[in-house]
Amino acid sequence: DTEVTQTPKHLVMGMTNKKSLKCEQHMGHRAMYWYKQKAKKPPELMFVYSYEKLSINESVPSRFSPECPNSSLLNLHLHALQPEDSALYLCASSQVNAYEQYFGPGTRLTVT
Amino acid sequence: AQKITQTQPGMFVQEKEAVTLDCTYDTSDQSYGLFWYKQPSSGEMIFLIYQGSYDEQNATEGRYSLNFQKARKSANLVISASQLGDSAMYFCAMREANTGNQFYFGTGTSLTVIP
Repeated sequence: DTEVTQTPKHLVMGMTNKKSLKCEQHMGHRAMYWYKQKAKKPPELMFVYSYEKLSINESVPSRFSPECPNSSLLNLHLHALQPEDSALYLCASSQVNAYEQYFGPGTRLTVT
Repeated sequence: AQKITQTQPGMFVQEKEAVTLDCTYDTSDQSYGLFWYKQPSSGEMIFLIYQGSYDEQNATEGRYSLNFQKARKSANLVISASQLGDSAMYFCAMREANTGNQFYFGTGTSLTVIP
């Protein structure tokens, strides 16, 4: 099983809403990632969890709050977002320090 | 300095022809991995091919091959016998052994296959 799942596929939220994105993998990977991707641009790394601990935070605004409750699950909590936060949010996983990274299908987020 | 450079924002290829997508990289590490991903309009990043810095043979996966020229720091993707379904964005990426779990992506090449 080389699948990373993400829910929801699409999300529309207002600037005062609180919502969460969910990512799950059952490949036994101990590194999980959140990326933000704007149209026609490469993915931008937001956060990396390694062994369920936050190892990289690429200076992401505090309105994005990651959580890794266990080795299979990664959440991204969203609060007070801005319209410019509208993007495709991709989750990925890998073995720690391994080269290959597996991506989920993404969540298309629109902030109104 | 850019870690990964893709100089072709857009490419066109005739169906059934071969096409080469360019990628150059910058690293001082001896140990690193190079990747190509395909991203159709649906958004999912699909892993295509991987080349390790110590691999002596060029990687191949079906119709995909990676032309690895270490001295020139290039890792071009060759797609043979293009199909309409190959139309997508293609990203070259690199991971260095000494930077933990950090991946570096190029700016991407948009490939359009013409019937």
